[in-house]
Amino acid sequence: DIQMTQSPSYVSASVGDRVTITCRASQGSSSWLGWYQQKPGKAPKLLIYAASSLQSGVPSRFSGSGSGTDFTLTISSLQPEDSATYYCQQAYNFPPTFGGGTKVEIK
Amino acid sequence: QVQLVESGGGVVQPGRSLRLSCAASGFTFNDYAFHWVRQAPGKGLEWVSVISYDAINTYYADSVKGRFTISRDNSKNTLYLQMDSLRAEDTAVYYCARDKQNGVLSPFFDYWGQGTLVTVSS
Repeated sequence: DIQMTQSPSYVSASVGDRVTITCRASQGSSSWLGWYQQKPGKAPKLLIYAASSLQSGVPSRFSGSGSGTDFTLTISSLQPEDSATYYCQQAYNFPPTFGGGTKVEIK
Repeated sequence: QVQLVESGGGVVQPGRSLRLSCAASGFTFNDYAFHWVRQAPGKGLEWVSVISYDAINTYYADSVKGRFTISRDNSKNTLYLQMDSLRAEDTAVYYCARDKQNGVLSPFFDYWGQGTLVTVSS
């Protein structure tokens, strides 16, 4: 199975800050990488698929980049509603696997 | 609008069985593959199983292979997960999720249900 490692596991930032989350795959995943946002008690929500494609309805302050083994999710200007846990997920091989999550808190 | 509604969760003793359902609406159900993804309390996400749009192909995580069975009824727009020989480590919220790409496996998950809690405990 492909192991996904996210960093950091926790980030605290102010409204308007730029936030970057990194995801590393244990083997190459081409561009088969997705990012999800999950708020407490809610289902995850797809933000980014194919490493850099923005899912319909997702604000443009979210962006993704990378290919192969190293990927990044960037929130260009953090908003209060962005407080959540973020997960990366590889879709290159079965089984699909998720990173451990990054909790984003608003200062 | 796309809606996925899970049901069937509850408290069950180790070794017993439970069947989860996921009722879909708002789109052409039989165009899409579907997945089950679970989340143990306070933990991350774990993919469980997938079934292709035509039910011909199914895949399972090693942790549930031989104990869980995924199926679908395209006439009822419903997805199922039959869970047998349940263990304490199967305790989790179970989500059904639609595969983003119609007709093929992507597998990115673009719509999710609200989740149903399964607790395995004596």
